[in-house]
Amino acid sequence: NAGVMQNPRHLVRRRGQEARLRCSPMKGHSHVYWYRQLPEEGLKFMVYLQKENIIDESGMPKERFSAEFPKEGPSILRIQQVVRGDSAAYFCASAQGEGYEQYFGPGTRLTVT
Amino acid sequence: GNSVTQMEGPVTLSEEAFLTINCTYTATGYPSLFWYVQYPGEGLQLLLKATKADDKGSNKGFEATYRKETTSFHLEKGSVQVSDSAVYFCALQLTGAGSYQLTFGKGTKLSVIP
Repeated sequence: NAGVMQNPRHLVRRRGQEARLRCSPMKGHSHVYWYRQLPEEGLKFMVYLQKENIIDESGMPKERFSAEFPKEGPSILRIQQVVRGDSAAYFCASAQGEGYEQYFGPGTRLTVT
Repeated sequence: GNSVTQMEGPVTLSEEAFLTINCTYTATGYPSLFWYVQYPGEGLQLLLKATKADDKGSNKGFEATYRKETTSFHLEKGSVQVSDSAVYFCALQLTGAGSYQLTFGKGTKLSVIP
């Protein structure tokens, strides 16, 4: 049983470009969380999605960031017009349902040059 | 708001030494508490958890007890091994909050030397 998959593992973007981060949840999981880890910081919650629905986006920056979890395919975290401050590790976690254990992917390390 | 404070690292111990990593929390409700471990280049793995006061979570020789009176969830291990070298995160989750998001501490890096 494959774990949570994230790709790419490493992503380099120039300022102003777009970054797309993908997360494939574990089989049978329909809930996805995205977290961001800035250097020397703990993980911070960004957004919680169920299939085709955003449940809680209270941790998402108001501009340039968006997330989706379509009926088919992976969850996507999209960052438009990246800036150096977006450089971080982005982790997704999937869960079987509300309140169930969250299983984390290996993360995508975004570097903005 | 909700927050987790854990002792700053890095922590360096010799093999077979006793480990304590302190964790305290602030929460608006009654949280569940977790310890996660992150090995180099990998995602976080759940190490142990406790869902109510006085519960003790344990796994792989690690233990932590949910202390409501001191709002703490300190991680302990009696005899660490080199393979325990990793970053350890304390986290809380409010139940019944709808989102079930995790709130993490900053992490404590542990290095165990032979």
